[in-house]
Amino acid sequence: SAVISQKPSRDICQRGTSLTIQCQVDSQVTMMFWYRQQPGQSLTLIATANQGSEATYESGFVIDKFPISRPNLTFSTLTVSNMSPEDSSIYLCSVEGGTGNTEAFFGQGTRLTVV
Amino acid sequence: DQQVKQNSPSLSVQEGRISILNCDYTNSMFDYFLWYKKYPAEGPTFLISISSIKDKNEDGRFTVFLNKSAKHLSLHIVPSQPGDSAVYFCAASAVPGGYNKLIFGAGTRLAVHP
Repeated sequence: SAVISQKPSRDICQRGTSLTIQCQVDSQVTMMFWYRQQPGQSLTLIATANQGSEATYESGFVIDKFPISRPNLTFSTLTVSNMSPEDSSIYLCSVEGGTGNTEAFFGQGTRLTVV
Repeated sequence: DQQVKQNSPSLSVQEGRISILNCDYTNSMFDYFLWYKKYPAEGPTFLISISSIKDKNEDGRFTVFLNKSAKHLSLHIVPSQPGDSAVYFCAASAVPGGYNKLIFGAGTRLAVHP
């Protein structure tokens, strides 16, 4: 299984500011995924990030609000822009893996609180 | 529209007994199902999965059952241990033969007590 490191693990931010979350994987992967878990809710996919192309965003998520970078096969960043208290969530990085790439492995998450 | 539903937000089980966590789905295109376990301040950890061509998959104390006609799956943990106390997420995928986006349920918090 892949080892995934996320930074920061938590942060408290002022509304109107932006936060960039980093995700580092210990092996090369084709696809990296960013999820959000709002308080008491399930995990929701924000976007899929492939190296060398623009990220693919799910319905309800836009690039202006959640710009993503994928400069190489082991690293990605997610920025939460112009934050409001509604953005307070756990943000999780994930990569494909397992037999036939049918599983997903997750980082420990970034707990974001916007005040 | 919730495509994957875990209707029990919490479950309390005595140590040594069986824990049964349930999950229902609405999308008949889902063909791969996974269970994840999540401890506080950690990311979800893959537990066990099942393909739609099977109705049961077993791994040690963990067994997942799939009833396609009822669009229902369940995770059985036998015997339950205090270390199993965590939030369990059911997830489904609609891409055959490979990983793609996962649709998660809201989770069930399992508490195993002595």
